[in-house]
Amino acid sequence: NAGVTQTPKFQVLKTGQSMTLQCAQDMNHEYMSWYRQDPGMGLRLIHYSVGAGITDQGEVPNGYNVSRSTTEDFPLRLLSAAPSQTSVYFCASSYSVQEMNTEAFFGQGTRLTVV
Amino acid sequence: EDQVTQSPEALRLQEGESSSLNCSYTVSGLRGLFWYRQDPGKGPEFLFTLYSAGEEKEKERLKATLTKKESFLHITAPKPEDSATYLCAVPSNAGGTSYGKLTFGQGTILTVHP
Repeated sequence: NAGVTQTPKFQVLKTGQSMTLQCAQDMNHEYMSWYRQDPGMGLRLIHYSVGAGITDQGEVPNGYNVSRSTTEDFPLRLLSAAPSQTSVYFCASSYSVQEMNTEAFFGQGTRLTVV
Repeated sequence: EDQVTQSPEALRLQEGESSSLNCSYTVSGLRGLFWYRQDPGKGPEFLFTLYSAGEEKEKERLKATLTKKESFLHITAPKPEDSATYLCAVPSNAGGTSYGKLTFGQGTILTVHP
């Protein structure tokens, strides 16, 4: 059971470069989201999706784009990397039961350094 | 605005020394409160979900409880392998839907010494 798979695990970018962080889940979950985790800041929501074709912004969306063409995949694109985007990125998926949220399953993270 | 505050930021215990972690929350219409454990270099791992005040959940040495304003994670007779960061989160109501998005506290770093 793979759960939530993120690739790559580590990445170093130069300022101004673009890249895509991949996220895939095999649990048929409706909801997917991206968080970044910085020391002293906790996990903060970047973008989320409530289904294929539907995405919305979270708390810290600037500099990131997302799309969701399938239930399984939710890639995060960095348009022009900046040092402030150095962070650990987590993808998560979840579903709801009787209008109540269930637990989110997280990937193992992508550690991104922008130099 | 949804807010989650965890205390203490860090907690050092001796093996066998029981204690509690606190998670205070402010959210309109709570649709669940979640506890996660995170080990260094790993993603958060789910521990408990609590949905209503008075609810309690237990797993090995951990017990989570919920009131209308806060949740506690009680650790009984901890072992060194319980050392980790413990995160508390609630579904975020910002944007009109609470599905698929969480507001996290900053976490409590627990260290258990043998």
